[in-house]
Amino acid sequence: AQSVAQPEDQVNVAEGNPLTVKCTYSVSGNPYLFWYVQYPNRGLQFLLKYITGDNLVKGSYGFEAEFNKSQTSFHLKKPSALVSDSALYFCAVRDYNTNAGKSTFGDGTTLTVKP
Amino acid sequence: DAGVIQSPRHEVTEMGQEVTLRCKPISGHNSLFWYRQTMMRGLELLIYFNNNVPIDDSGMPEDRFSAKMPNASFSTLKIQPSEPRDSAVYFCASSPQGVYSYEQYFGPGTRLTVT
Repeated sequence: AQSVAQPEDQVNVAEGNPLTVKCTYSVSGNPYLFWYVQYPNRGLQFLLKYITGDNLVKGSYGFEAEFNKSQTSFHLKKPSALVSDSALYFCAVRDYNTNAGKSTFGDGTTLTVKP
Repeated sequence: DAGVIQSPRHEVTEMGQEVTLRCKPISGHNSLFWYRQTMMRGLELLIYFNNNVPIDDSGMPEDRFSAKMPNASFSTLKIQPSEPRDSAVYFCASSPQGVYSYEQYFGPGTRLTVT
């Protein structure tokens, strides 16, 4: 079984400050991990992924995420937040060791960046 | 590439009517997913296909829902008869499912309102 937890429903940061959106996961095998962003009235948009290799993954719009196997975490980060980063963020996991094609999504975290 | 295409973008219907949602995945992607998103229940996976074959339909709410993928470039989600509780945004997503390529690409969604 695979699961994802996003412990914060909402994250508020000031523009220019660093931001972190938290995600922890559970899989029986090795994880594939993903972050998606959803702007109002839009579909989810892929941001970045961890498959293998470097634990620090860089993605679109200056976002990055760090895979931490011991803490089973994959937190999304950005050094300097923009007001335009305000959106709903989803973490997702897929178990590498299964042939099942589906990813399990978290409940989402609403990020609000204030000017 | 035009991305995942969904139609219609908005659908308003009366209870008891049949509703058909359509999806054209990204060319070359061999997995297709149907999701439903509501404020109350968040993002729910309804069904997904690999190479046009339904793999997991455990998320389909009940027999009123059915999905087909007659070829690699087209899928439908049908609700018959529709009920007010089916009101939601329905997303279609496709994924390449290649080595290291399991991220999903979402369409813009169909906002369904059943009165």
